[in-house]
Amino acid sequence: RKEVEQDPGPFNVPEGATVAFNCTYSNSASQSFFWYRQDCRKEPKLLMSVYSSGNEDGRFTAQLNRASQYISLLIRDSKLSDSATYLCVRGGSYIPTFGRGTSLIVHP
Amino acid sequence: DVKVTQSSRYLVKRTGEKVFLECVQDMDHENMFWYRQDPGLGLRLIYFSYDVKMKEKGDIPEGYSVSREKKERFSLILESASTNQTSMYLCASSLIDEQYFGPGTRLTVT
Repeated sequence: RKEVEQDPGPFNVPEGATVAFNCTYSNSASQSFFWYRQDCRKEPKLLMSVYSSGNEDGRFTAQLNRASQYISLLIRDSKLSDSATYLCVRGGSYIPTFGRGTSLIVHP
Repeated sequence: DVKVTQSSRYLVKRTGEKVFLECVQDMDHENMFWYRQDPGLGLRLIYFSYDVKMKEKGDIPEGYSVSREKKERFSLILESASTNQTSMYLCASSLIDEQYFGPGTRLTVT
């Protein structure tokens, strides 16, 4: 079983919608998690860290559920520019583990 | 602002050629990584380095080697390029957990 699993999507949503992605992980000792965003044919870029208490940055909210071993990313009021692939990452060692990504398409 | 640069954005090489991909970071990070990314397979770790002259194999090291002679520079070498090495190659650096990526090199081997 892959250590970090994501639904590949694509999630197809209209502008203004709220969309949420989940990511499950298998190592219960994992300490840190991140969401990265990757635009088509570009490199991944750090979107936000995921703390035990949750993390909010504008329209984006990340949550960690240790009991059920998943993290989530909620995007409110989706914009066309949010269209990208979102990668879930498990840290906790100096070699992070990347999920394969969830594709989001926001349409007018 | 962390900056990771890669020597080429696009590269076309012939089968059997030796290929060098270079990566430079300017944030004095200890750790550097080379990944390849293919559709449907996600990011796969080729090699990483946690210090100068130190290297460790990742998940798919076959057909590749690396060199880290200076802290800021990490090179990926394809000794004899093959068509199945056509891919997007991404370099990253990190201090602890958060990785910063270069823009990638799209390598085509014909």
